[in-house]
Amino acid sequence: RKEVEQDPGPFNVPEGATVAFNCTYSNSASQSFFWYRQDCRKEPKLLMSVYSSGNEDGRFTAQLNRASQYISLLIRDSKLSDSATYLCVVNGGASGTYKYIFGTGTRLKVLA
Amino acid sequence: NAGVTQTPKFRVLKTGQSMTLLCAQDMNHEYMYWYRQDPGMGLRLIHYSVGEGTTAKGEVPDGYNVSRLKKQNFLLGLESAAPSQTSVYFCASSFPGGGYNEQFFGPGTRLTVL
Repeated sequence: RKEVEQDPGPFNVPEGATVAFNCTYSNSASQSFFWYRQDCRKEPKLLMSVYSSGNEDGRFTAQLNRASQYISLLIRDSKLSDSATYLCVVNGGASGTYKYIFGTGTRLKVLA
Repeated sequence: NAGVTQTPKFRVLKTGQSMTLLCAQDMNHEYMYWYRQDPGMGLRLIHYSVGEGTTAKGEVPDGYNVSRLKKQNFLLGLESAAPSQTSVYFCASSFPGGGYNEQFFGPGTRLTVL
């Protein structure tokens, strides 16, 4: 089983739609959680951290469920510019705090 | 601030050749990392460093060596390149792990080994 698992997609959604991605992780001792965005042929960039209480940044909402070991990302009112690959990232735990584990990513394509 | 920079951006090697990828960061980060990214595999950690003069193996270290002689630089070496090392290589840096410390990535190096 992979340490961090994501549905690879692609998710094809019309502009203005709401779309949600989930990610599961296997290490219950993991300490911190992130969503990164990666555009085609570019480096990953932090989209948002995911806190235990859940957090929102504009059209983006992230949730963490430690009991079920998954995190989610909700994008409301999708824009063409949201088209990218979204990487779920988990850090820390018994494997060491240096270690960031990346999912393989979920591709999103927002259609005009 | 330039952030994290990588050189070169592209390189084509023949099997058996050697090369060094250079990563530099100007954010005074303690931790630096080298990853490779292959289709369907996600980012995989090759080597990492938790400070100047220290390095350690990651998930896929075979065929690579690293050095961190200066805090701001992290070098990745391929002594004898193989086609299996064709990949996109990303360098990253961060403040010490634990807590919500963001990793900052360089723009990547696209390496093809023929």
